[in-house]
Amino acid sequence: KAGVTQTPRYLIKTRGQQVTLSCSPISGHRSVSWYQQTPGQGLQFLFEYFSETQRNKGNFPGRFSGRQFSNSRSEMNVSTLELGDSALYLCASGVGETGNTIYFGEGSWLTVV
Amino acid sequence: QKEVEQNSGPLSVPEGAIASLNCTYSDRVSQSFFWYRQYSGKSPELIMSIYSNGDKEDGRFTAQLNKASQYVSLLIRDSQPSDSATYLCAVRDRGNTPLVFGKGTRLSVIA
Repeated sequence: KAGVTQTPRYLIKTRGQQVTLSCSPISGHRSVSWYQQTPGQGLQFLFEYFSETQRNKGNFPGRFSGRQFSNSRSEMNVSTLELGDSALYLCASGVGETGNTIYFGEGSWLTVV
Repeated sequence: QKEVEQNSGPLSVPEGAIASLNCTYSDRVSQSFFWYRQYSGKSPELIMSIYSNGDKEDGRFTAQLNKASQYVSLLIRDSQPSDSATYLCAVRDRGNTPLVFGKGTRLSVIA
């Protein structure tokens, strides 16, 4: 069974640009969560989608947005990139039920210069 | 604001010893608890989950949960150099609330 797939794996963007990251969950999983990981802040929750609806949202500015498609694949977008957005962006999928376990993809390493 | 606290380490143990990793959480209604392992430059991988008070064993790993003390721990028996990684504790409230992660404990197993 294939795991969570994230693309692109590595990218470098310039301040002010926007970026879109993609995530394909494990087959049969309906929940997709996004996390930002930085050395100083650890893993911070961005948002979670379940059946194309945003179910939870973290404390990030509106520049961070996401969506989920009918096939459970998800994208997140960051507009007007800032240097502080440089981080590992992790997608995790789960079956979506209460208390469910989530499994992470390999992540997308974003560097903003 | 929910908080999950872990000692950042590094925790150094000799090969073959038991490594004990601890985690405390602030929210009494937390119901699901998870341990993930993260190697440097890699993404977190699930080690195990625990939902009820007591111990849960999986191979060399044992998770221990004490909800009254708001404390969850991970024991690694017969530690190996390949266990050297950062261990992340994660906690979830009832329902479909997001997982909240601690900042992790860095474990170093010395051969």
